[in-house]
Amino acid sequence: KQEVTQIPAALSVPEGENLVLNCSFTDSAIYNLQWFRQDPGKGLTSLLLIQSSQREQTSGRLNASLDKSSGRSTLYIAASQPGDSATYLCAGYSGAGSYQLTFGKGTKLSVIP
Amino acid sequence: NAGVTQTPKFQVLKTGQSMTLQCAQDMNHEYMSWYRQDPGMGLRLIHYSVGAGITDQGEVPNGYNVSRSTTEDFPLRLLSAAPSQTSVYFCASSYSKAGANSYTFGSGTRLTVV
Repeated sequence: KQEVTQIPAALSVPEGENLVLNCSFTDSAIYNLQWFRQDPGKGLTSLLLIQSSQREQTSGRLNASLDKSSGRSTLYIAASQPGDSATYLCAGYSGAGSYQLTFGKGTKLSVIP
Repeated sequence: NAGVTQTPKFQVLKTGQSMTLQCAQDMNHEYMSWYRQDPGMGLRLIHYSVGAGITDQGEVPNGYNVSRSTTEDFPLRLLSAAPSQTSVYFCASSYSKAGANSYTFGSGTRLTVV
């Protein structure tokens, strides 16, 4: 069974700092991995989707990488802003027969002005 | 606006009551699913559907029923509410079950069972 872990559970950084959020998974047969953002009391917003055949995806100040061999994904946020404060979730999709996303418990990010 | 719509946003139920959480999407997505989010547990899959007329159980299906009569709608029924079902419920959809496309989530229903 796929397990997804996110460390740290919470992170506080000053505005303008570059930062990395970590996600590890146990099943290297992962089909794809998706990063989400969740604001308090809100739903999940998809940030980046990385297919198993890809190594990274970029959107604006965000860059996500996927290393299946080591069972790790990272989300890099450049020049952090207070508006980036949210909980970031990673979720792995294990492919046929499963159909479900396996979520980590998230990293709560606070960007201090 | 295209997306996933969930109603109601908030609900309080008494133990033993039944209710239906509504989910509708207007993106012609094949795949729809229900998750619950609990503190310290992350999101867990309750039920999912790969198309109209086809549903299956996820990780935590007990106490819930689903049906998929149309592509657009995927309601979640609580048969006899229990305090353990207090949670935030999210509906999600995707263009295909193959996972090649990203998932779109609704804004959630916060349910309290007293």
